[in-house]
Amino acid sequence: EPEVTQTPSHQVTQMGQEVILRCVPISNHLYFYWYRQILGQKVEFLVSFYNNEISEKSEIFDDQFSVERPDGSNFTLKIRSTKLEDSAMYFCASLPSAGVQETQYFGPGTRLLVL
Amino acid sequence: SQKIEQNSEALNIQEGKTATLTCNYTNYSPAYLQWYRQDPGRGPVFLLLIRENEKEKRKERLKVTFDTTLKQSLFHITASQPADSATYLCAPYILTGGGNKLTFGTGTQLKVEL
Repeated sequence: EPEVTQTPSHQVTQMGQEVILRCVPISNHLYFYWYRQILGQKVEFLVSFYNNEISEKSEIFDDQFSVERPDGSNFTLKIRSTKLEDSAMYFCASLPSAGVQETQYFGPGTRLLVL
Repeated sequence: SQKIEQNSEALNIQEGKTATLTCNYTNYSPAYLQWYRQDPGRGPVFLLLIRENEKEKRKERLKVTFDTTLKQSLFHITASQPADSATYLCAPYILTGGGNKLTFGTGTQLKVEL
């Protein structure tokens, strides 16, 4: 069964450094998402991406964050200058279309630790 | 503001019993509601979707109800097994015409004991 993959599974970085989290969504999917989950808290929406542009973003997704689909398969989340509070699990998700019956497929996540 | 509430305390039940999890929402009129399962350190996995005009939906041992008057959804697992132990998330969804983002509740942790 096709699945969303994410790399790396774990990333440790120093505060102020840039990180790029990578995702390969399911191949025929059209909508792409990033969510994050701080330890012990709920899964929070960051950004949605469709047709090579951001379709919606949350308040969390400030100027330090950016997303890109550099080729036909990868979808990346960049954090320009990491802060301690960026430590969290980051999940990528993809969706075939915007139909009501469609469900989002989540990747296994990248655990980011900012020191 | 919109709120989604799930029991924050873990639910411990014995194997074979029915687990019932609750999702309450306020300041929302969701077109449909989804339930996901999340295991520790893993991404959410879709379980069931129920639309506002459906009272009940079933899939194998799972049953979901949706009461738009009470603004509540109940999630039932019958004949529960230790393998059902996980955190269960509800996500009421509003059709915005935007990016189909999911807004999750905090989740309820279920532990099924032998």
